[in-house]
Amino acid sequence: NFVLTQSHSVSESPGKTVTISCTRSSGSIANNYVQWYQHRAGSSPTSLIFEDNKRPSGVPDRFSGSIDTSSNSASLTIFGLTTEDEADYYCQSHDSSAWVFGGGTKVTVL
Amino acid sequence: QVQLQESGSGVVKPSETLSLTCTVSGDSISSHYWNWIRQPLGKGLEWIGFFYQSSNPSYNPSLKSRVTISGDTSKNQLSLKLTSVTAADTAIYYCARRKYLLFDSWGQGTLVTVSS
Repeated sequence: NFVLTQSHSVSESPGKTVTISCTRSSGSIANNYVQWYQHRAGSSPTSLIFEDNKRPSGVPDRFSGSIDTSSNSASLTIFGLTTEDEADYYCQSHDSSAWVFGGGTKVTVL
Repeated sequence: QVQLQESGSGVVKPSETLSLTCTVSGDSISSHYWNWIRQPLGKGLEWIGFFYQSSNPSYNPSLKSRVTISGDTSKNQLSLKLTSVTAADTAIYYCARRKYLLFDSWGQGTLVTVSS
């Protein structure tokens, strides 16, 4: 199996932009789509991005996903941070044998 | 609107079997993929496995020897059994629906503590 590695945490002020990265350890990031989830404290995870860069209905366009094959990574960018964005964010992908989550990135809005 | 509700033993003794049920409303477990996912306290999410009506269950290779996931379509329930538990299995356990690639609906989660 492969591993998805995320930075542990990031802090930024309201109104700013943050980008969270997710690096795949083996196999191309382009081989299998990447999804992103938001997990607020005390709540269940909710979906933000599917198929690398698509947003489910109801997710604001402040959330944007992309992949970069040169670094074998995926990224989630949050524009115009608000206090409601303070949460853990997880990337997720799969291969033939398993569905894999990254370790999560904690976003703190100062 | 699909709803998922986990239930089961909150405390399990080491070496015993963890058993959980997920009751689904608003959708049929005969459609889509129905998953168990856990989060050890202070750690990240870990996929455990899924039930799919039209195929054999699929499990995380790291847990495969200890996990059984099944579905009861008459009750529209998903179940999880994890044998020979240790403290490392203490976690919040979620059931979640996967439509194509996206885990789009999640239960509220249930905390299972392994302790004597």
